[in-house]
Amino acid sequence: DVKVTQSSRYLVKRTGEKVFLECVQDMDHENMFWYRQDPGLGLRLIYFSYDVKMKEKGDIPEGYSVSREKKERFSLILESASTNQTSMYLCASSIRGNEQFFGPGTRLTVL
Amino acid sequence: DAKTTQPPSMDCAEGRAANLPCNHSTISGNEYVYWYRQIHSQGPQYIIHGLKNNETNEMASLIITEDRKSSTLILPHATLRDTAVYYCIVRVWGFGNEKLTFGTGTRLTIIP
Repeated sequence: DVKVTQSSRYLVKRTGEKVFLECVQDMDHENMFWYRQDPGLGLRLIYFSYDVKMKEKGDIPEGYSVSREKKERFSLILESASTNQTSMYLCASSIRGNEQFFGPGTRLTVL
Repeated sequence: DAKTTQPPSMDCAEGRAANLPCNHSTISGNEYVYWYRQIHSQGPQYIIHGLKNNETNEMASLIITEDRKSSTLILPHATLRDTAVYYCIVRVWGFGNEKLTFGTGTRLTIIP
């Protein structure tokens, strides 16, 4: 089975802190994705990557950056966390063109 | 990608078949219908997808109308663990079309 793991299930940070969310997949998938999920807004794509060192902006990239130095790992970075970035963050991976497999999510609270 | 319309919520008795409808009247010829579900506090889980023929796997069946403007996901013998939000998504399959656009889905509650 595909396994997508995220570094934390719950995270609490303060406004202005730099935050790293890590995602690792073990199935050699080319594609990796970061979404955020908020009540009433559904899942929204922040960034995705289709290869090492490659990245594409999703629908809501503002305030975020990403890093993909190795194929299995995709990091989401909040350079200066703000309260409106309090959310559930979901990572996913896929073989090109195929269905996405999601991690369990990280619930981030920014105080 | 074409937009989908789903009822916001549905109930189904445990052991019965759960039939979840989805309208996608603007679907284009090369767009597939995908279904995912999200159990509370977990990441979404892929269920099934199809283009125009009916599909079945170990989790569910997907029935797509002949004009492809709507589809139904069928969970043949619903259990309490099937309580979740179900998302119907249409997208072009294949490389270069990686993006999934999730709507608000249908919240399915299985009643004991």
